[in-house]
Amino acid sequence: DAGITQSPRHKVTETGTPVTLRCHQTENHRYMYWYRQDPGHGLRLIHYSYGVKDTDKGEVSDGYSVSRSKTEDFLLTLESATSSQTSVYFCAITARLSETQYFGPGTRLLVL
Amino acid sequence: GIQVEQSPPDLILQEGANSTLRCNFSDSVNNLQWFHQNPWGQLINLFYIPSGTKQNGRLSATTVATERYSLLYISSSQTTDSGVYFCAVERPPGGGNKLTFGTGTQLKVEL
Repeated sequence: DAGITQSPRHKVTETGTPVTLRCHQTENHRYMYWYRQDPGHGLRLIHYSYGVKDTDKGEVSDGYSVSRSKTEDFLLTLESATSSQTSVYFCAITARLSETQYFGPGTRLLVL
Repeated sequence: GIQVEQSPPDLILQEGANSTLRCNFSDSVNNLQWFHQNPWGQLINLFYIPSGTKQNGRLSATTVATERYSLLYISSSQTTDSGVYFCAVERPPGGGNKLTFGTGTQLKVEL
């Protein structure tokens, strides 16, 4: 499973509140990613990171910010959650020696 | 951006049957991966296959990059093969593995 954990696994929050999701990896991978999965859309890239303090936007970055102060942690923040951000959020890494991408278990977020 | 289309969108098989899933993409790619999402939501990488053919047990995949498609073959299907199969690609110059996913093929294998 490439040593990826996500927390929390489930969260219910209210519109307008800030939310931070955490992705933690134990194998020192350089590249980390946040995707969201919605019915009819497959997975869409939100933000990604090339390394510590090195991040960039993906396809659907509006309303989201990220931070990576340590190799092992990649945080996704919804500054002011909206109902359209109700989704399942997946963190992923690219293994060091190949292009293969591995995913964490996901976080199910419901914004009321 | 690049468009990734998967077919069929839904597929029901009897256990033991074979199937072929297709992924078409609208532009050249230098990275193509197949994933299986099981009924519990976990995403598992099946193949990294930007070109050529690979096999892993009952699964095999072929990518013809010049014709912009990839095929995933499942032989002697089992109920544990049920779930959603995703194709994902990255355009050149690439690097960084920033994938664009198709909308998937939902597979149900029945006894």
